[in-house]
Amino acid sequence: EVQLVESGGGLGQPGGSLRLSCEASGFTFSSFAMSWVRQAPGKGLEWVSAISGITGTTYYADSVKGRFTISTDNSKDTLYLQMNSLRAEDTAVYYCAKVNRRDGYDYDHFDYWGQGTLVTVSS
Amino acid sequence: DIQMTQSPSSLSAPVGDRVTITCRASQSISSYLNWYQKKPGKAPNLLIYAASNLQSGVPSRFSGSGSGTDFTLTISSLQPEDFATYYCQQSYTIPFTFGPGTKVGIK
Repeated sequence: EVQLVESGGGLGQPGGSLRLSCEASGFTFSSFAMSWVRQAPGKGLEWVSAISGITGTTYYADSVKGRFTISTDNSKDTLYLQMNSLRAEDTAVYYCAKVNRRDGYDYDHFDYWGQGTLVTVSS
Repeated sequence: DIQMTQSPSSLSAPVGDRVTITCRASQSISSYLNWYQKKPGKAPNLLIYAASNLQSGVPSRFSGSGSGTDFTLTISSLQPEDFATYYCQQSYTIPFTFGPGTKVGIK
């Protein structure tokens, strides 16, 4: 059974930092891309970042580029999101998601999601 | 970036009704279109991938169709557990983008 468990959310100061973690189990972690998606209060879903499990190539939404860093530790089957220079608009529930492939394309759909971790940016 | 739109933004329907939600992409995305169900306080749940493929474990009353720029999600007979917000998402190119959502409520 695939499981994704996020942690690390909480209250962050504007301009401060937080690191989110997502511990994965039930699949070969290093063989799949992983992603972070967020939902601000009362808003829709917003893709944040993705990383290839095979090449380590990373991708970011413009809204977080240069401030957030996605990474993995394959020895721990864990995905991370280092969030720096936090802004009020980063307040959201952050979900990690496993990205499944289709017909050789590694980024086809998000088939499993964690339960989410809430990040609140406020002074 | 590819913009995704959905219509309607919300709807109310009784149990047993057939419900159709439309999603449109700002450019052709072939069949790289997915549908998710989101309930408050819960993680999103993949319903349909690649426009028309039912995800394992999802009830057969859900179906998807379309290609290019226009897509639909259909619930053939609305059940009480289906009241939620539905999002389309394109995976044709990064950045991935979601539609604004369609909230399905009880009538």
